[in-house]
Amino acid sequence: DQQVKQNSPSLSVQEGRISILNCDYTNSMFDYFLWYKKYPAEGPTFLISISSIKDKNEDGRFTVFLNKSAKHLSLHIVPSQPGDSAVYFCAASDPGGTSYGKLTFGQGTILTVHP
Amino acid sequence: ETGVTQSPTHLIKTRGQQVTLRCSSQSGHNTVSWYQQALGQGPQFIFQYYREEENGRGNFPPRFSGLQFPNYSSELNVNALELDDSALYLCASSPKTATNEKLFFGSGTQLSVL
Repeated sequence: DQQVKQNSPSLSVQEGRISILNCDYTNSMFDYFLWYKKYPAEGPTFLISISSIKDKNEDGRFTVFLNKSAKHLSLHIVPSQPGDSAVYFCAASDPGGTSYGKLTFGQGTILTVHP
Repeated sequence: ETGVTQSPTHLIKTRGQQVTLRCSSQSGHNTVSWYQQALGQGPQFIFQYYREEENGRGNFPPRFSGLQFPNYSSELNVNALELDDSALYLCASSPKTATNEKLFFGSGTQLSVL
């Protein structure tokens, strides 16, 4: 049962344009969402997060939007840079879950930003 | 500030063997989590350790076990290795145990089971 889904395996964008990465979830108990970025041969690094009490969080070029009614979140990167090329993972946490401290990850989206 | 370090970086084992993976948490972090990332998938939660006790577990069989030491470093042990155990094993630490705490990941150990 895939509770967090990233339906686009890959995304290709031109430098300077907007990158939009999408994520859907099914568990309504999730209350905190995070995006991680992963380069080859490195571990995932935290990018940005959002609490379920908010619908938007911004940090520089990165903005995360949360639509609770649709159980959907998206990550916007503006403007996109070649150094943003990486795998992006959406993750969610459930405070009432039986596995304390667990993050549930999506499958990831490979972003390629072309110069 | 030292980040999360994992050893070894790569490992090849045969089916039925046992393996131990090691992790040193980031300075000041007392909570360690382990994740398994199969090819083309996102990381899957194995378990978390806090103050040397298992503090949560994902859907993994008992042959996956762990330890946390007084210096907050950790080990992941896998017995009776199966081919499907081939994956990237990621260790992550956090300053405290909380569901809204972001995790700091190591670079992982790539395990191949032949």
